[in-house]
Amino acid sequence: DSGVTQTPKHLITATGQRVTLRCSPRSGDLSVYWYQQSLDQGLQFLIQYYNGEERAKGNILERFSAQQFPDLHSELNLSSLELGDSALYFCASSGTGGQGDGTKNIQYFGAGTRLSVL
Amino acid sequence: AQSVSQHNHHVILSEAASLELGCNYSYGGTVNLFWYVQYPGQHLQLLLKYFSGDPLVKGIKGFEAEFIKSKFSFNLRKPSVQWSDTAEYFCAGPRNTPLVFGKGTRLSVIA
Repeated sequence: DSGVTQTPKHLITATGQRVTLRCSPRSGDLSVYWYQQSLDQGLQFLIQYYNGEERAKGNILERFSAQQFPDLHSELNLSSLELGDSALYFCASSGTGGQGDGTKNIQYFGAGTRLSVL
Repeated sequence: AQSVSQHNHHVILSEAASLELGCNYSYGGTVNLFWYVQYPGQHLQLLLKYFSGDPLVKGIKGFEAEFIKSKFSFNLRKPSVQWSDTAEYFCAGPRNTPLVFGKGTRLSVIA
């Protein structure tokens, strides 16, 4: 158990719908990262939040958005869903924002949310 | 642009065989490199990491990796694999954030 909690484990929805994925980081971690894992694209970084502020952005679609709340949990919102959005969405957390070296920058991953868009 | 590439898509080995999985990165600065493992149906777990210092790093479950700066490589090795090593292995880096993952190598260990 990594200490990172993601809910729900599975989500089945229809095209055009909107869903929210939730992530609770390890106790004491300030950074939350979201990744998308699909068969064709592999594991891709979407976005990072650090202590409530957006820190880095990757290949995140405009239909997707995220936020980190004062209690440091994070939500990833996916809207106007398309078939191609079906994937495993992972959340990771680390102690710091990733600056510099050190074990506090290691990312620990949750079990993921499997999204199926039908 | 920063990138991480893994050479092997699928590797099949017999138990007790030696393993080497290739990983190359593209980045001109100080690197932070990682190997993660994903067992079937489970989350990514950190196997080992390289930040600086000794280029030969040891991780959990008998895995090790060697950082060769001149070759931009960070290959994963294990002298003798077990059936329980069947999993997908991901190389990641070249910095802490954002982490770029390789496409992954699926390892199947057969008896």
